[in-house]
Amino acid sequence: SAVISQKPSRDICQRGTSLTIQCQVDSQVTMMFWYRQQPGQSLTLIATANQGSEATYESGFVIDKFPISRPNLTFSTLTVSNMSPEDSSIYLCSVDRRTVSTDTQYFGPGTRLTVL
Amino acid sequence: SQQGEEDPQALSIQEGENATMNCSYKTSINNLQWYRQNSGRGLVHLILIRSNEREKHSGRLRVTLDTSKKSSSLLITASRAADTASYFCASSTQGGSEKLVFGKGTKLTVNP
Repeated sequence: SAVISQKPSRDICQRGTSLTIQCQVDSQVTMMFWYRQQPGQSLTLIATANQGSEATYESGFVIDKFPISRPNLTFSTLTVSNMSPEDSSIYLCSVDRRTVSTDTQYFGPGTRLTVL
Repeated sequence: SQQGEEDPQALSIQEGENATMNCSYKTSINNLQWYRQNSGRGLVHLILIRSNEREKHSGRLRVTLDTSKKSSSLLITASRAADTASYFCASSTQGGSEKLVFGKGTKLTVNP
């Protein structure tokens, strides 16, 4: 399994500000994913981040609101820009670990964001 | 859009009982995975079942997959209070996509 860490683990922010969330993996991975989980809801994919290329965003998510960086094969950041209370969610990164016998995605512990 | 639907949305049982959660999906899949989430924390991978498999076991977990009905079930036998969590199914669609589409989840409460 992959060891994935996220920073910060939680934050309380004022509306109109931005927060950058970091995701660090203990080994090199090709694809990293960012998900949002709104209160009491399931997970929704925000974007897929490949090293050396622009992130691919899902319908309903745009780069201006959720810019993503992927500077190397073990690290990615997600920024939540110009935040509003509706952005209060848990944000999770995940990596796809494929071998001959498995193609499991492993998740970080999440960043709990509250926007006032 | 979310293609996984799970039922029940909430399930409360006594310790020692079995818990069954169901998941349905809409399109053809490569595989289906089940995850557990404790109190809004990160997801823990439980088990993966491929589209050509019908049943899989891991400890107290049993997963079935019926591709004709586009459904899966997760059975937890001899439940424990520590099994209290939310359980999500997530499907990986055919076509080489690594993206996971999550169901809405079942909140399981196991009472001691």
